[in-house]
Amino acid sequence: KQEVTQIPAALSVPEGENLVLNCSFTDSAIYNLQWFRQDPGKGLTSLLLIQSSQREQTSGRLNASLDKSSGRSTLYIAASQPGDSATYLCAVRRFRDDKIIFGKGTRLHILP
Amino acid sequence: EAQVTQNPRYLITVTGKKLTVTCSQNMNHEYMSWYRQDPGLGLRQIYYSMNVEVTDKGDVPEGYKVSRKEKRNFPLILESPSPNQTSLYFCASMGRMNDYEQYFGPGTRLTVT
Repeated sequence: KQEVTQIPAALSVPEGENLVLNCSFTDSAIYNLQWFRQDPGKGLTSLLLIQSSQREQTSGRLNASLDKSSGRSTLYIAASQPGDSATYLCAVRRFRDDKIIFGKGTRLHILP
Repeated sequence: EAQVTQNPRYLITVTGKKLTVTCSQNMNHEYMSWYRQDPGLGLRQIYYSMNVEVTDKGDVPEGYKVSRKEKRNFPLILESPSPNQTSLYFCASMGRMNDYEQYFGPGTRLTVT
């Protein structure tokens, strides 16, 4: 059974720091992995999508990497800002049945 | 504007009263999904559809029905809602033209009393 784990569950860091969020998955047979941001009470906003054949994707201050063989992805946020405070979720699309499995998220708080 | 819409956004109902939550997308996406989000449990896929007339169970399908008669619409039906279906529901879609990047609707907050 595919499981997706995100550690830590919550994280507080001072503004300006670089930080890394982790996502691990048990079944490496995936089509892709997607990172999302969710603000309290709101919907999900797509941040980055990495196909299984790719190693990383970048968008502005965000960089996501994928190591399929070890079942790991990281989301790197550079020069964090208070506006980055949100819950960050990762999700994989499983190859064998096209199901999408989400991690439970990392709740990030950037201290001004 | 490319978007996924859901209606209603908020719904309070009573146990056993059938309800439908609509979902529509304007991006010609093949794949559509319904999720529920609960504190401590995260987002879980209820049903998904790879294309018209094709639907499959996700991880928590019990108590729900779906249909995909048209490519743009994917309604979620609760035939006999129960209090344990009180949750935040999201519809999402993705397609080949966007490299299968998922786009989410704004969510429907359902309360069953």
